[in-house]
Amino acid sequence: EPEVTQTPSHQVTQMGQEVILRCVPISNHLYFYWYRQILGQKVEFLVSFYNNEISEKSEIFDDQFSVERPDGSNFTLKIRSTKLEDSAMYFCASSEGGTGKNIQYFGAGTRLSVL
Amino acid sequence: EDKVVQSPLSLVVHEGDTVTLNCSYEVTNFRSLLWYKQEKKAPTFLFMLTSSGIEKKSGRLSSILDKKELFSILNITATQTGDSAIYLCAPTNFGNEKLTFGTGTRLTIIP
Repeated sequence: EPEVTQTPSHQVTQMGQEVILRCVPISNHLYFYWYRQILGQKVEFLVSFYNNEISEKSEIFDDQFSVERPDGSNFTLKIRSTKLEDSAMYFCASSEGGTGKNIQYFGAGTRLSVL
Repeated sequence: EDKVVQSPLSLVVHEGDTVTLNCSYEVTNFRSLLWYKQEKKAPTFLFMLTSSGIEKKSGRLSSILDKKELFSILNITATQTGDSAIYLCAPTNFGNEKLTFGTGTRLTIIP
């Protein structure tokens, strides 16, 4: 069964460092998303991406964050200068899009620990 | 701003019991409501509801939507320990694709 894959599963970094979280969405999906979940809190939307551009972003997604689809399969989230409060589980999701096809399927997540 | 309230926040029952989880929402231009199960990591999809009054079923799980009263329920019958998880609901609206999750209901099944 097709699935969203994320790497790495756990990333430890020093405050101020750049990190890139990687995702391979389901192959025929057109919409891609990043969410994050701080320990014990809600899953929060960060950004959606369609047709090679950001379609929506939340207030959390400030200038420190960027997304990219560098090739036909990968979808990345970059945090330029990590802060302690960026420590969270980051989930990538994808959907086919279109009427009745907006079910989002999630990857297993990358746990980011900023020290 | 979209709002999602789930209740109860936490529920502990014995194996074999039936549970009902609630989700109320306020979104502009409502499109659909999705239920997910979150065990240790990623939310896994359970149901998508778009029409009022039509029950969706998958084994022991079922869900229904009331678009007039703005809520949905998720029922689980004959609960098993494998049902222990956080259950999340998330409405969507036309015009964007994001999911707005509630805090979830943490369900614990005691053997």
